[in-house]
Amino acid sequence: QQPVQSPQAVILREGEDAVINCSSSKALYSVHWYRQKHGEAPVFLMILLKGGEQKGHEKISASFNEKKQQSSLYLTASQLSYSGTYFCGTVGSGAGSYQLTFGKGTKLSVIP
Amino acid sequence: DGGITQSPKYLFRKEGQNVTLSCEQNLNHDAMYWYRQDPGQGLRLIYYSQIVNDFQKGDIAEGYSVSREKKESFPLTVTSAQKNPTAFYLCASSPGQSGYEQFFGPGTRLTVL
Repeated sequence: QQPVQSPQAVILREGEDAVINCSSSKALYSVHWYRQKHGEAPVFLMILLKGGEQKGHEKISASFNEKKQQSSLYLTASQLSYSGTYFCGTVGSGAGSYQLTFGKGTKLSVIP
Repeated sequence: DGGITQSPKYLFRKEGQNVTLSCEQNLNHDAMYWYRQDPGQGLRLIYYSQIVNDFQKGDIAEGYSVSREKKESFPLTVTSAQKNPTAFYLCASSPGQSGYEQFFGPGTRLTVL
């Protein structure tokens, strides 16, 4: 089942912070985050595994709450280059479950 | 340089014709995937393959077929049975599954006239 992302879209001024949420109705093994610019391929940001720690580098980080089946992506002090559509992808924790199921995306626009 | 190539970038076909989209990777990855992307829908899995000569259907496999004769190659055929084939098609690969990131190719935009 497709994870639900919120918000669907957000507009930020340079330097502002944003949080993108990803919620699933099933138990999860991992959550993946990707960013896609228009007409281009998605680019991997990070992966969070069940039992793992919060991940991040510099101004982009993410958390994974296994009990709530939720993940959040945190973007701090946003830059123009952060603009794009952010997708979370989830892998269920059931036996033999390998499929990565993506949400519909969150469109982030950073303006000067 | 290692990576994934998809060709062509843009493809036009007449309704009723089968068309094959190419995907090649030189990353030595075991797993390969095909996704379809429509506006506002995110990425939906068509087929995936964990190993040569083996593949599984994803969520929207109807009207598509694949083959995995070589580790490097995973072509996708869009058949005339696919009722709405116009979309952006993305190929990806990963070293394994579940806990591994997927690397995406640049995509092929297919338009059926």
